[in-house]
Amino acid sequence: KAGVTQTPRYLIKTRGQQVTLSCSPISGHRSVSWYQQTPGQGLQFLFEYFSETQRNKGNFPGRFSGRQFSNSRSEMNVSTLELGDSALYLCASSLAPPTGIQETQYFGPGTRLLVL
Amino acid sequence: AQTVTQSQPEMSVQEAETVTLSCTYDTSESNYYLFWYKQPPSRQMILVIRQEAYKQQNATENRFSVNFQKAAKSFSLKISDSQLGDTAMYFCAFSGNTPLVFGKGTRLSVIA
Repeated sequence: KAGVTQTPRYLIKTRGQQVTLSCSPISGHRSVSWYQQTPGQGLQFLFEYFSETQRNKGNFPGRFSGRQFSNSRSEMNVSTLELGDSALYLCASSLAPPTGIQETQYFGPGTRLLVL
Repeated sequence: AQTVTQSQPEMSVQEAETVTLSCTYDTSESNYYLFWYKQPPSRQMILVIRQEAYKQQNATENRFSVNFQKAAKSFSLKISDSQLGDTAMYFCAFSGNTPLVFGKGTRLSVIA
């Protein structure tokens, strides 16, 4: 089975621009979660989508948004980019049940975003 | 809210030796999962091992094993016969009825 894939792998943007990152989960996985990883803050949860619905959301401003398509692929969007948005953005998928405890999450290689 | 603490920011071990990485967590939930993930310099986060809280038996995966102490809320990872390829950041993570919560990580260096 193919793993979680993320595109693009690297991205350079300037302040004020917007960016869209894409994630394709493992086949059969219906849950997709997004994380931001920075040296200072570590791994922080952004949001989780399950069956095209946002199920959980982390403590990030409204500039960060996402969506999930019927084939479980997910995108996240960051508008009005700030220097502090430079980070590694990780996507993870899982065989999550509709409710209850999260199942094991499998991660993609990440998208490295640099904001200049 | 759940918290995960890894008290060792950096560790090193000689090749073929054994090393133990510490992790403690805080939760009021009774049913949950605990994980160790490895992130090598290539950045791909890889699942190392998983423990279900309701299982008393400690999980093992080849050279990797855990010491799960539920009452003490402790979940340490033991790596036996360390190899150069084990050099990576190791993250402890908690999964309950909330999104996955990670510790700050332990940077492990395996020295030849």
